[in-house]
Amino acid sequence: NAGVTQTPKFRVLKTGQSMTLLCAQDMNHEYMYWYRQDPGMGLRLIHYSVGEGTTAKGEVPDGYNVSRLKKQNFLLGLESAAPSQTSVYFCASRPQGPREQYFGPGTRLTVT
Amino acid sequence: AQSVTQPDIHITVSEGASLELRCNYSYGATPYLFWYVQSPGQGLQLLLKYFSGDTLVQGIKGFEAEFKRSQSSFNLRKPSVHWSDAAEYFCAVGDTGRRALTFGSGTRLQVQP
Repeated sequence: NAGVTQTPKFRVLKTGQSMTLLCAQDMNHEYMYWYRQDPGMGLRLIHYSVGEGTTAKGEVPDGYNVSRLKKQNFLLGLESAAPSQTSVYFCASRPQGPREQYFGPGTRLTVT
Repeated sequence: AQSVTQPDIHITVSEGASLELRCNYSYGATPYLFWYVQSPGQGLQLLLKYFSGDTLVQGIKGFEAEFKRSQSSFNLRKPSVHWSDAAEYFCAVGDTGRRALTFGSGTRLQVQP
């Protein structure tokens, strides 16, 4: 049982490049989330999903897109990376009901 | 909109001393409350959670937290800090709709020998 995994762990992009971050969970959780973590700001919600085939915007969605074609995977896309998207990205999942979220190890992204 | 305030950005305590990290939240209904810990370069680990019932909750690594509705607080405590407790601590409130978390900005704990 690997829990929540994220690919890649590190990435450096040039401004304007695109990339996709992959989050996978093997716990059959319904809910999945993408957060970004910036110094002094805690974690902020980018997008989330309440089930396969559904996605919704969080607090800071601009510049990002997501897809959840399979229940176990939640993809975060950057179509045209900007330096303001330099951050650490965390994926999380949780089952239905009042339960905690389980976090992945994070992806450190630098946009130059 | 819900929010979480952690007033202390950085705290230094001596090993063996007691610890209290403050957390205040703003939420219109009964909140789901959490404390997570993050070691440098690592992900987030759940320390403890409050959903309902007993307002004093016990967590892992000897931590506890008390939910005080009248003060909108959920402070984290530990009676005797160990050097391995040095990390960043995040308080979070969960909403009952999206089930997403709103995090505080974190408190970095340094432990002196």
